[in-house]
Amino acid sequence: EVQLVESGGGLVQPGGSLRLSCAASGFTFSSYNMNWVRQAPGKGLEWVSYISSGVSNIYYADSVKGRFTISRDNAKSSLYLQMNSLTDEDTAVYYCARDYTDLYYFDYWGQGTLVTVSS
Amino acid sequence: QSVLTQPPSVSGAPGQRVTISCTGSSSNIGAGYNVHWYQQLPGTAPKLLIYGNINRPSGVPDRFSGSKSGTSASLAITGLQAEDEADYFCQSYDSSLSTRVFGGGTKLTVL
Repeated sequence: EVQLVESGGGLVQPGGSLRLSCAASGFTFSSYNMNWVRQAPGKGLEWVSYISSGVSNIYYADSVKGRFTISRDNAKSSLYLQMNSLTDEDTAVYYCARDYTDLYYFDYWGQGTLVTVSS
Repeated sequence: QSVLTQPPSVSGAPGQRVTISCTGSSSNIGAGYNVHWYQQLPGTAPKLLIYGNINRPSGVPDRFSGSKSGTSASLAITGLQAEDEADYFCQSYDSSLSTRVFGGGTKLTVL
């Protein structure tokens, strides 16, 4: 069974940093491209970042470019998101999502971790 | 403002049929990119409902169906049940933005 479990969310002050993790199991993590998708409270879904299985391709939404860094450790079956210079607009539930790259969709999602940026 | 446009809400009585539209442009749906749909039950993570315009993952009831034409797509739900009350999001790829894009979401209320 595919499982994605996010962790690392919490309350952080504006301008602060946070590192999210996503532990994957039930599939060969190193063979799959992965994403982070976020959802602000009461709002829709926003794609945040993508990383290919071998880390050769990395993409970011314009809203986070230069502030967020996606990475992965295939030996640990883990996905990460380093978030710096956080603003209140980054307040959201952050989901890691497995990528079905051929058709550009997300076939499995984690339960999400809440990031709250507030003073 | 979402790249793909969905109605904010739809509603229907149990047993009825409802449809949710998803309108894009020539750089996403109209460019031939597939449309996918996700169901988000209250307080839970999104779940893949329809992929590749018309396909259902294993375990998704055949009451749910998808279609695509031109720059738009639709999700149809027949035989509405109380458990279908959720938010529904469409998603595609945009070649101008070079990113995966979502609709703003549609809240389905079962009356």
